[in-house]
Amino acid sequence: EADIYQTPRYLVIGTGKKITLECSQTMGHDKMYWYQQDPGMELHLIHYSYGVNSTEKGDLSSESTVSRIRTEHFPLTLESARPSHTSQYLCATQWSYEQYFGPGTRLTVT
Amino acid sequence: GNSVTQMEGPVTLSEEAFLTINCTYTATGYPSLFWYVQYPGEGLQLLLKATKADDKGSNKGFEATYRKETTSFHLEKGSVQVSDSAVYLCALSERGATNKLIFGTGTLLAVQP
Repeated sequence: EADIYQTPRYLVIGTGKKITLECSQTMGHDKMYWYQQDPGMELHLIHYSYGVNSTEKGDLSSESTVSRIRTEHFPLTLESARPSHTSQYLCATQWSYEQYFGPGTRLTVT
Repeated sequence: GNSVTQMEGPVTLSEEAFLTINCTYTATGYPSLFWYVQYPGEGLQLLLKATKADDKGSNKGFEATYRKETTSFHLEKGSVQVSDSAVYLCALSERGATNKLIFGTGTLLAVQP
């Protein structure tokens, strides 16, 4: 089973600030994903990576960016936070057909 | 394209009641199917899975059977507990190079004592 860590768990920040949401995993899995979860619970894929130096945009357009310089690390960055970015952000890794999720970061932009 | 449709919630049950949460899918080929559970304030946990037709996934008293003929993967539990209160999400995994998960909208279950 994968160990996936996300920090911070909760973040309240003002409009216009730059933020980075951290995601790390200890299992050496190549595939990693970022999802945005609505208050209505639906998950939207916003970014994914199939390995080091590989990143792709997901099904939902997002102003965030990601990087994958190391296998175990997949941070998500917002250059200028806006209230519309308020959401829950979930990171996941995949082995075979199964995905394993971190605890999530709940972001509130005021 | 591939998609997953779940029954809308919230579903409110009394303790020890029987639970069914419907899930149907549209997919080309033969996807793997999953149920994830999300407890308040937490990330998603894999609850059970099935990788081919007629497979039954089971865990913690929950069951779901992969029905190819009806393209369904309904979640059931014979006797729910208050601790089962959570959001339940049905998902399919596209076969091929991407293996991305397609999620349903999620169903909130509230079990009352």
